[in-house]
Amino acid sequence: EAGVAQSPRYKIIEKRQSVAFWCNPISGHATLYWYQQILGQGPKLLIQFQNNGVVDDSQLPKDRFSAERLKGVDSTLKIQPAKLEDSAVYLCASRHIAGGSTGELFFGEGSRLTVL
Amino acid sequence: AQSVAQPEDQVNVAEGNPLTVKCTYSVSGNPYLFWYVQYPNRGLQFLLKYITGDNLVKGSYGFEAEFNKSQTSFHLKKPSALVSDSALYFCAVRDMSGGYNKLIFGAGTRLAVHP
Repeated sequence: EAGVAQSPRYKIIEKRQSVAFWCNPISGHATLYWYQQILGQGPKLLIQFQNNGVVDDSQLPKDRFSAERLKGVDSTLKIQPAKLEDSAVYLCASRHIAGGSTGELFFGEGSRLTVL
Repeated sequence: AQSVAQPEDQVNVAEGNPLTVKCTYSVSGNPYLFWYVQYPNRGLQFLLKYITGDNLVKGSYGFEAEFNKSQTSFHLKKPSALVSDSALYFCAVRDMSGGYNKLIFGAGTRLAVHP
């Protein structure tokens, strides 16, 4: 079974530029998450989708971050304009709804963003 | 709000010795607890979870965790450490606020196993 795919793995941009990250979850996983992991910290949830609907975006800085999952499969996270403090690893995770509320999350390898 | 704390930034252990990585939790209701491991430049990999039942949970790669309700702890353990166990370990708790399942992670503990 293929895992969660993310791209690009690494991205370096100047502040005020824009960047987009792509995630393709495990086939059949209805729930998709984007987490931000700043160096030395644990992952922090940015946004959660159930199929193609947003169910939690309370921690998403909406003035600069946006995300979509138009067809309920793959997802894109965008940052525009980027700030220095956005330097982090962006982790995508998915979960099968059949796992119930106790099912674990499966993570991709992450996209590392450096903002100069 | 649900939360977990990992009191140690780093744990050092000699290869072959037992290891413990500590985690304490604060939840309302029944705690659903998880351990994940992260190797350099990789995503998080699931190790084990506690939902209900036996307080000793067995997981991948010979790891186990002990749930202790009175001490609100969920420490990760392994009887004999390997150099290849060196990685970043995260404890997490399920959060159902808003009606949807998500994980809240601790800050992580770096495990260094020395030959």
